[in-house]
Amino acid sequence: EPEVTQTPSHQVTQMGQEVILRCVPISNHLYFYWYRQILGQKVEFLVSFYNNEISEKSEIFDDQFSVERPDGSNFTLKIRSTKLEDSAMYFCASSEEAGVGQPQHFGDGTRLSIL
Amino acid sequence: AQTVTQSQPEMSVQEAETVTLSCTYDTSESNYYLFWYKQPPSRQMILVIRQEAYKQQNATENRFSVNFQKAAKSFSLKISDSQLGDTAMYFCAFMKPYSYNNNDMRFGAGTRLTVKP
Repeated sequence: EPEVTQTPSHQVTQMGQEVILRCVPISNHLYFYWYRQILGQKVEFLVSFYNNEISEKSEIFDDQFSVERPDGSNFTLKIRSTKLEDSAMYFCASSEEAGVGQPQHFGDGTRLSIL
Repeated sequence: AQTVTQSQPEMSVQEAETVTLSCTYDTSESNYYLFWYKQPPSRQMILVIRQEAYKQQNATENRFSVNFQKAAKSFSLKISDSQLGDTAMYFCAFMKPYSYNNNDMRFGAGTRLTVKP
């Protein structure tokens, strides 16, 4: 069964540095998402992306965040100047275009640790 | 804004028994979608079951079923014949009605379920 893949599985970065989290969505999916889960807390929506542009973003997704689909397969989340509170698990998800209420398929996540 | 509430942070159940996880939500929409996702210690979020709000019939998937009460805005998950592999964090999620460019979800805080041998 096709899967959403995320790399790296764990990223350790110094505060203030830039980090890029990578995702390869399922190939025929057209909607892409990033979610964040701070340790012990709920999964929070960050941003959705469709047709090469952001379709919705949450209040968490401020100017330090950006997303990009640099080619036909990758979907990246960039955090420009990391802060301690950015430490979390970051999940990428994708869903098909066809139909409504399509379930989202999640990757394994990238654990981001800011030192 | 839609909110999803899971009032049970932790639950436990004996293997082979039945357990029900509760979820309530708040929305002014009449049509929407509800999901239960499972997050085992391996951390990947796995879809368990999906319910369309305009369907009165409760969704079922093998040992998993829901009790969807639209008027009460309640969406509980029943796990029958619990198995050790059901041990996981369970998240209830709400998806807004159809939008041509967005289907993002809002999650509850999760319920940690432990199945005991």
